[in-house]
Amino acid sequence: DSGVTQTPKHLITATGQRVTLRCSPRSGDLSVYWYQQSLDQGLQFLIQYYNGEERAKGNILERFSAQQFPDLHSELNLSSLELGDSALYFCASSALLAGGTDTQYFGPGTRLTVL
Amino acid sequence: GDSVTQMEGPVTLSEEAFLTINCTYTATGYPSLFWYVQYPGEGLQLLLKATKADDKGSNKGFEATYRKETTSFHLEKGSVQVSDSAVYFCALSDLMIKAAGNKLTFGGGTRVLVKP
Repeated sequence: DSGVTQTPKHLITATGQRVTLRCSPRSGDLSVYWYQQSLDQGLQFLIQYYNGEERAKGNILERFSAQQFPDLHSELNLSSLELGDSALYFCASSALLAGGTDTQYFGPGTRLTVL
Repeated sequence: GDSVTQMEGPVTLSEEAFLTINCTYTATGYPSLFWYVQYPGEGLQLLLKATKADDKGSNKGFEATYRKETTSFHLEKGSVQVSDSAVYFCALSDLMIKAAGNKLTFGGGTRVLVKP
C-alpha cells in the first residue's frame, strides 16, 4: 500500500459526459501528479500540482483540468468525453517539487471506460 | 525531449532463470532513473532507483546500474519466481528542469511471464 488513495476504482460513462477523479496523496506529500495509461500511448504525464499551484504540464487535453485543494487532495476533471479517453488514470504523490531524491508513489488508479 | 526505450515483451521465462530487461534513455540534463513494477490489476510500485552515474539500485533481488556512457539502466535478476510476473517500466526524471517540476518519462513497459 503506497498511501495514495484514488476514487472511484472504476468508472463507466458515455461519450460527451463529464467525470471527476479524486486523489488523496500520502500524508505530508505536497506534490500531486496525474498520469494516463492507455494501450496506444503508454504511460503519459498529464499535470503536476505542488502545494495548491500548477507546476508542470504534459500532454493534457484542453478538455481536461485539475486542481489541488488546501487539504492537498486533488481532482482531475475530464469533460466532453470521447471513446479515446478510455484509460487507466493514475495519481502519484511526492514530498518535494523536484529533485533526484524525490520519489513518486502511485495510487491504484481509476479505470475509465467511455461507451 | 526526454525519452526512454525499453525492450518489448512479452518475456517468458522459467522459474529460477536469469532476467534482463534492457532500458536506454535520452535526456537533456542529469536524470534520475527508476524501475517501476505493475502487478496484474494493481498500480505502479517503485522497484529501485539510481540518482547519479555508476549508482546501483537494488531491491528484492533486482539490480540496475546507471551507465552514463551508454545511457542505459538495464534491470537484472538472477533467479526469477512466478511471483515476479508483472509489467516492468523504466522511467527517468530530469533534474535540469527543476523549476518546471518533476515529471516522470516512462518507457513502454515490458511484460514478464514466469512459468513454474
